[in-house]
Amino acid sequence: GNSVTQMEGPVTLSEEAFLTINCTYTATGYPSLFWYVQYPGEGLQLLLKATKADDKGSNKGFEATYRKETTSFHLEKGSVQVSDSAVYFCALSDPGDFNKFYFGSGTKLNVKP
Amino acid sequence: DTAVSQTPKYLVTQMGNDKSIKCEQNLGHDTMYWYKQDSKKFLKIMFSYNNKELIINETVPNRFSPKSPDKAHLNLHINSLELGDSAVYFCASSQYGQGAGDTQYFGPGTRLTVL
Repeated sequence: GNSVTQMEGPVTLSEEAFLTINCTYTATGYPSLFWYVQYPGEGLQLLLKATKADDKGSNKGFEATYRKETTSFHLEKGSVQVSDSAVYFCALSDPGDFNKFYFGSGTKLNVKP
Repeated sequence: DTAVSQTPKYLVTQMGNDKSIKCEQNLGHDTMYWYKQDSKKFLKIMFSYNNKELIINETVPNRFSPKSPDKAHLNLHINSLELGDSAVYFCASSQYGQGAGDTQYFGPGTRLTVL
């Protein structure tokens, strides 16, 4: 079946530190992969996505590469800011099942000044 | 302009009551979804409609009934509310509901508290 596993949080970093949030997946078909961000009290916003192997999604300094050989989609940012503090969700969509989304459990990021 | 909107934002009610949450999207999308987010932030899909037709119906108590009067609206009605229904409910929409990379856009959420 389909599932997404994310590293447990919270992750606490100082401003300008390097960020990695690990995400691995299992899938029956050829999924698309997504990272969403949820700021306190708000809904989820798309951060980036990739639709096939070796694609790199990027946005606002965040990057993730679709690695089929390691079934991973790790999120990275070279220099985090306090404003990046939020919960980050990795997700996959299964095009063979009405694009049903499967979300990871979320990773809370705290960035300290 | 809000792309996906939900009302109400907060809902506090007693056990046993019946309540509804409304969702509207102005993106012209064909597909809409309801998700439940529990206290540990875990998100689980409940239902999905494509052009007013139910296409995803996860294992959800039949006290939950979605209704889509048109493709821009998807409401969630909950009968006989229980303590375990307390959660944040998110509505989402996507352009097609199929195909690679079809992104889902989320509303702000409705925090339901059952006392």
